[in-house]
Amino acid sequence: EVQLVESGGGLVQPGRSLRLSCAASGFTFDDYAMHWVRQAPGKGLEWVSGISWNSGSIGYADSVKGRFTISRDNAKNSLYLQMNSLRAEDTALYYCAKAEYYDILTGYFDYWGQGTLVTVSS
Amino acid sequence: EIVLTQSPGTLSLSPGERATLSCRASQSVSSSYLAWYQQKPGQAPRLLIYGASSRATGIPDRFSGSGSGTDFTLTISRLEPEDFAVYYCQQYGSSPKTFGGGTKVEIK
Repeated sequence: EVQLVESGGGLVQPGRSLRLSCAASGFTFDDYAMHWVRQAPGKGLEWVSGISWNSGSIGYADSVKGRFTISRDNAKNSLYLQMNSLRAEDTALYYCAKAEYYDILTGYFDYWGQGTLVTVSS
Repeated sequence: EIVLTQSPGTLSLSPGERATLSCRASQSVSSSYLAWYQQKPGQAPRLLIYGASSRATGIPDRFSGSGSGTDFTLTISRLEPEDFAVYYCQQYGSSPKTFGGGTKVEIK
């Protein structure tokens, strides 16, 4: 059974940093690209970032480019999102999602975690 | 960036009725790389349809997807009580992988 478990969310002041983690199990982690998708309270889904199976291809939404860094550790079956210079508009539930493809060029998201909540407020 | 516009914003229907949800893209979606997700309150999104018309594993056949180019449709042939939820389309053929704003299917 595929499982994706996010952690690391919490309340943080504007301008500070936070690192999210996603622990994956139930599939061959290093065969697939992985993504972060967020959902602001009461709003829709927004793709944040994606990383290919070998970290060779990485992409970011314009809204987070230069502030967020995605990474993965295939030996630990883990995905990460380092979030710096956080803003109030980054407040959201952050989901980790598995792609059905090895690269970020394409691939729908066939499994999602339950999300971790990030609240940016003073 | 491909912008996806979903309509209607809310669909009020009764169990047993047919639901037709629309997703229109601002430019052609390559290779019909269009997916549909269902999200219930307090839950993560769940994949329903990929490749515009292929059902994901375990998805009942009352859910069907169609369309190509810029116009796509999700149809639920007969609504079951568990189908009342928010539905999102997503294009995954180009970066960024954008989502539509969602259609809420509510009980009339």
